[in-house]
Amino acid sequence: NAGVTQTPKFRVLKTGQSMTLLCAQDMNHEYMYWYRQDPGMGLRLIHYSVGEGTTAKGEVPDGYNVSRLKKQNFLLGLESAAPSQTSVYFCASSYPIGRGIYNSPLHFGNGTRLTVT
Amino acid sequence: QQQVKQSPQSLIVQKGGISIINCAYENTAFDYFPWYQQFPGKGPALLIAIRPDVSEKKEGRFTISFNKSAKQFSLHIMDSQPGDSATYFCAASWDTGGGNKLTFGTGTQLKVEL
Repeated sequence: NAGVTQTPKFRVLKTGQSMTLLCAQDMNHEYMYWYRQDPGMGLRLIHYSVGEGTTAKGEVPDGYNVSRLKKQNFLLGLESAAPSQTSVYFCASSYPIGRGIYNSPLHFGNGTRLTVT
Repeated sequence: QQQVKQSPQSLIVQKGGISIINCAYENTAFDYFPWYQQFPGKGPALLIAIRPDVSEKKEGRFTISFNKSAKQFSLHIMDSQPGDSATYFCAASWDTGGGNKLTFGTGTQLKVEL
């Protein structure tokens, strides 16, 4: 099992350019998430999905769009990149949790390091 | 708005010593408190987690202590080893009926020296 795979691993963009980050998981997880990690700020949730065809906003959604057309894939798009979007982006997946079910850890990929100049 | 405050930002411990990382939260609705460990170039991975109905959970050298009244929880690493050198994140979540949305602390960079 590969777990959660993110592509690309590194990318440099110029301001205004667009790109899509791809996340794929092979664990049949219902839930998928996109986080960004910045020094001194921990991990902040951008968007998430609780199932195929559904997406929702997280803590810092502005400037990003997502799509979940297939259960195993979750795409993060930047339509017009800005220097403030320079960050390390992590995708994660998990089984659903509900009341009384807490042992569903998030499985993270190894990240995409994005630099916007 | 930071809902989970983590300290210290960095920590240096001698091999064999005890590493202690603290977190405090404000939202009393939080009912799940995991700790994640992250090595350089890798994604975070679940280390240990606790629910608020217990005050302590131990797994090997790692222990979570939880103080519900103070809204604080901490990670203790006993007999710290150089291989424990990593960044540690505390987190918290509650069942909103839609997604396991964790709120993370800002992270603690631990270095265990020989």
